[in-house]
Amino acid sequence: GESVGLHLPTLSVQEGDNSIINCAYSNSASDYFIWYKQESGKGPQFIIDIRSNMDKRQGQRVTVLLNKTVKHLSLQIAATQPGDSAVYFCADNFNKFYFGSGTKLNVKP
Amino acid sequence: NAGVMQNPRHLVRRRGQEARLRCSPMKGHSHVYWYRQLPEEGLKFMVYLQKENIIDESGMPKERFSAEFPKEGPSILRIQQVVRGDSAAYFCASSSGTASYNEQFFGPGTRLTVL
Repeated sequence: GESVGLHLPTLSVQEGDNSIINCAYSNSASDYFIWYKQESGKGPQFIIDIRSNMDKRQGQRVTVLLNKTVKHLSLQIAATQPGDSAVYFCADNFNKFYFGSGTKLNVKP
Repeated sequence: NAGVMQNPRHLVRRRGQEARLRCSPMKGHSHVYWYRQLPEEGLKFMVYLQKENIIDESGMPKERFSAEFPKEGPSILRIQQVVRGDSAAYFCASSSGTASYNEQFFGPGTRLTVL
């Protein structure tokens, strides 16, 4: 369910390291997933999506992994850069209005 | 192709005043979504509209809040008699709505401060 009122979980990584951000979804009927990135003071932006007939999809420096068995989604960012510092949200087409609380990624120089 | 436009970007109101937030969707998009975000929290869905219709308002407070998306012009989120707890960032998103997989494109948000 929603985590209204809870502060964002935070992941701190060193510049150049890889980052892994996790997301759990609740409904097995969900078959399309999106990751959004929200930088400070801005609206969320689309990063990458994946359909349920795939278990992995790669973009530029980002990879999304989907494990339908445990209803888990992860976003991997390779060689994390300071510009990757943001809040990351996942969304699915079943609960397409629910973005969850997100994860705040802090990249340390 | 301009993205989703929101105005004003910052709005200051005193308690008891009305706040009107505007959202112009991307060209060709007929579906609009409004979200509220408190500092250090996630997006909270408020309302989903298509032209001239409210499709889902399950996230809207029962009182003081209303939304519309007229046939012509932007979508409006209206907050009457604002209170300090209404201070937040309000984001609008739009989608084409032509497929079951509809990426939402977000605007820059309106930051409402209630004094």
